[in-house]
Amino acid sequence: QKEVEQNSGPLSVPEGAIASLNCTYSDRGSQSFFWYRQYSGKSPELIMFIYSNGDKEDGRFTAQLNKASQYVSLLIRDSQPSDSATYLCAVPYTGGFKTIFGAGTRLFVKA
Amino acid sequence: DVKVTQSSRYLVKRTGEKVFLECVQDMDHENMFWYRQDPGLGLRLIYFSYDVKMKEKGDIPEGYSVSREKKERFSLILESASTNQTSMYLCASSLVLGQVSYEQYFGPGTRLTVT
Repeated sequence: QKEVEQNSGPLSVPEGAIASLNCTYSDRGSQSFFWYRQYSGKSPELIMFIYSNGDKEDGRFTAQLNKASQYVSLLIRDSQPSDSATYLCAVPYTGGFKTIFGAGTRLFVKA
Repeated sequence: DVKVTQSSRYLVKRTGEKVFLECVQDMDHENMFWYRQDPGLGLRLIYFSYDVKMKEKGDIPEGYSVSREKKERFSLILESASTNQTSMYLCASSLVLGQVSYEQYFGPGTRLTVT
């Protein structure tokens, strides 16, 4: 059974701090990794993807991937109250069309 | 601007009714998916389709069926609605690279209440 694990939270950080969201996955063959943000009552939207080991930066967001440890993380710098949402880690199956979603981490950014 | 649309944002149906949820994407994506999302349970895959008229069961297909007669349209059917099918239903589509799905684009969701 292929799995994606996330700490459900809630994770609470003060405005301006760095929020660190973590995800582990079980399929060693996985090649691509996605982070989605979901506001309450809305559908998920893609915010980051990463394929290679190391860091990938996009504005205030940094995705980090360590395939040896089967670990992917999302860092949000200078967190804003508007970043308060649930963040879903997603890993496409290898050899199939499905994507496994983690249960999500709820983030609260306090003003 | 890529778009996935769903036929209704809110729907209220009675137990035993046949319910149709429709999803349309304008991105020429091969893959389409139906999920339900419940508090504390995350996204659960009901069915997906990797080509026209092709479908595969997801993790929770019981009580549901699907139809994909055209590439852009994927329908979810609740044959006889029950109260435990009250949920948020999300449709998504994605490109395929090799046999691996790329990023998924989600529709706005349909909140279905079965009374």
